[in-house]
This record gives sequence, structure tokens and C-alpha cells, in this order.
Amino acid sequence: DAGITQSPRHKVTETGTPVTLRCHQTENHRYMYWYRQDPGHGLRLIHYSYGVKDTDKGEVSDGYSVSRSKTEDFLLTLESATSSQTSVYFCAISVGTSGGQETQYFGPGTRLLVL
Amino acid sequence: AQSVTQLDSQVPVFEEAPVELRCNYSSSVSVYLFWYVQYPNQGLQLLLKYLSGSTLVKGINGFEAEFNKSQTSFHLRKPSVHISDTAEYFCAVISRRALTFGSGTRLQVQP
Repeated sequence: DAGITQSPRHKVTETGTPVTLRCHQTENHRYMYWYRQDPGHGLRLIHYSYGVKDTDKGEVSDGYSVSRSKTEDFLLTLESATSSQTSVYFCAISVGTSGGQETQYFGPGTRLLVL
Repeated sequence: AQSVTQLDSQVPVFEEAPVELRCNYSSSVSVYLFWYVQYPNQGLQLLLKYLSGSTLVKGINGFEAEFNKSQTSFHLRKPSVHISDTAEYFCAVISRRALTFGSGTRLQVQP
């Protein structure tokens, strides 16, 4: 257990509404990530953070924004939800030494349905 | 850019039989490779990882993987599977601190 929680765990929303997903960690790790999981695609990186107020885009960042005002919390916002954003969203933290040899651990996921 | 290919989307196998899940990667730099498992309706759990050293890596639940640089492969193996191994397995490579995943292999263990 890497001390990662995600909320909510399930959400149903309507097209055009804003949605915010929360990732919370208890161990003060610097790097945090948001991925989405879709059938046939594995997991794809949306955004990541390398410190408070420091974030960068991933492979599928369009339509998403993130914020990190505290080390322990990383928020993912869908500014105007669309049906293509129906997915399972996973938060992850990075643990280990520098130089690329980190290991990522994942939260339990949030299942989002956009109607 | 790095990429990962999992050659089989589904692998059916009988209980107590051996299994190999295939993973190939492309990378022009040092490679750090991972296998994750996802049980139904759960998150991802780390099975094993290759960072350096011995090319044969042992993980949890009796799984192992072999890093083969010449064939750019990192296949996952288990000599005898159980019903409880039924899950989806993901191979991944890390680049610039972010993981690139393969599309996953669903292992279906039948009695």
C-alpha cells in the first residue's frame, strides 16, 4: 500500500459539466501522475507534477488541467466533460532514486462516466 | 520516443500449465522495464521490475521476466499458473519519469 487515495471512486456526470478528481498521498513524494485507462490502450499519461505548483503535460492532456497547491494533493479537472473522457483514472506516485530508476505505485482508480 | 508492444491481447491457459506473456520495447536510451498486474476492478500492482544487473528478474506470486537487450524483449513467465492469476498484465517502460504502457494482455486461467 503506497498510501494513495483517490476521490471520488465512482462518478456519473453530464456532458459540459466541470469535474474534479482528487489524489491524496500520505508520504510526501515529489512526483505525482494522472493516467487514464481505456480498453486497448493500456494507461496513458495525462499530466504529471514534479513539485508544488510544478506540472507538465503528458500524452493526452487536451481537455484536462491539473493543480498541486500542497505536496500531498494532486487535482485533475475536466473543464467541460465530454463522452470521450469516460474512462478509469489512476493517480500514481514515483518512489526511488533519480536517474530514471524510480518505481511508480498506483491508487485504486476513479471510474468516470460522462453521459 | 519509447514504445511498448504486447503481442497478445488475450492468453487462455489451463491451470498448472506454464505461461509466457510477451513484451517488446523500443528505446534508444537506457531501459528500465516493469510488469504490472491488474485484477478485476482493482488498481495496478507492481509484479517486478528491471533497472540494472541480472537480466533474470523475479517478482511476486512466482512470476519472473527476462530482459533481452538484443531482442528488445522483456517477456513474463510463470512455470505453473493458478486460477487466481486471472488478470490483465501490463508491460511498461519508463522515460523522463513517466511510464509508457503496452496495451495489456488478459490472462485467462481455466480449470
